[in-house]
Amino acid sequence: RKEVEQDPGPFNVPEGATVAFNCTYSNSASQSFFWYRQDCRKEPKLLMSVYSSGNEDGRFTAQLNRASQYISLLIRDSKLSDSATYLCVVNGVYSGGGADGLTFGKGTHLIIQP
Amino acid sequence: EAQVTQNPRYLITVTGKKLTVTCSQNMNHEYMSWYRQDPGLGLRQIYYSMNVEVTDKGDVPEGYKVSRKEKRNFPLILESPSPNQTSLYFCASRFRGITEAFFGQGTRLTVV
Repeated sequence: RKEVEQDPGPFNVPEGATVAFNCTYSNSASQSFFWYRQDCRKEPKLLMSVYSSGNEDGRFTAQLNRASQYISLLIRDSKLSDSATYLCVVNGVYSGGGADGLTFGKGTHLIIQP
Repeated sequence: EAQVTQNPRYLITVTGKKLTVTCSQNMNHEYMSWYRQDPGLGLRQIYYSMNVEVTDKGDVPEGYKVSRKEKRNFPLILESPSPNQTSLYFCASRFRGITEAFFGQGTRLTVV
């Protein structure tokens, strides 16, 4: 069964600290990976894609470890506005019936405290 | 502006009264999906469509119907809503292949 697992948190982190989340996925055939951000009661929005070599976007760094089947998100110098739920999303090609290959984790809740 | 548009954003209805939530995208995406989100359960896929006239069940299809007569539209139909369908619903679309999804703003449905 396809699964994407995340620690639900909440992670309570002081402003300015560095915080990291991990996400594990079960299907080794997964082909692309994303982090989405979701604010309370709003739609998920793409934060960043995750590339094999790792990638950085400002204060955010994403890493992929295919051998261990996990992806990570690192947030440096955290801001109050970073408070949100972060969803790990895996996209792959699955055989047989079922969904269209896009699998969401349940999300990690981050609270940045002043 | 590229977007996925859902309507209505908020809806309170009574048990058994048929309703439709509309979803439209202007990005020419092949794939469209409906999700519901409930506390502690994350996003669960209801139905998805890989192209016009091609739809399939997701993880929680019971009590819902969909149709895909045009590429841009993917309405969600609740023929006889029940209180357990009270939830936050999202429509999403994306291109075929290993691409990211774009979400509508959500529909908060309450069935009393």
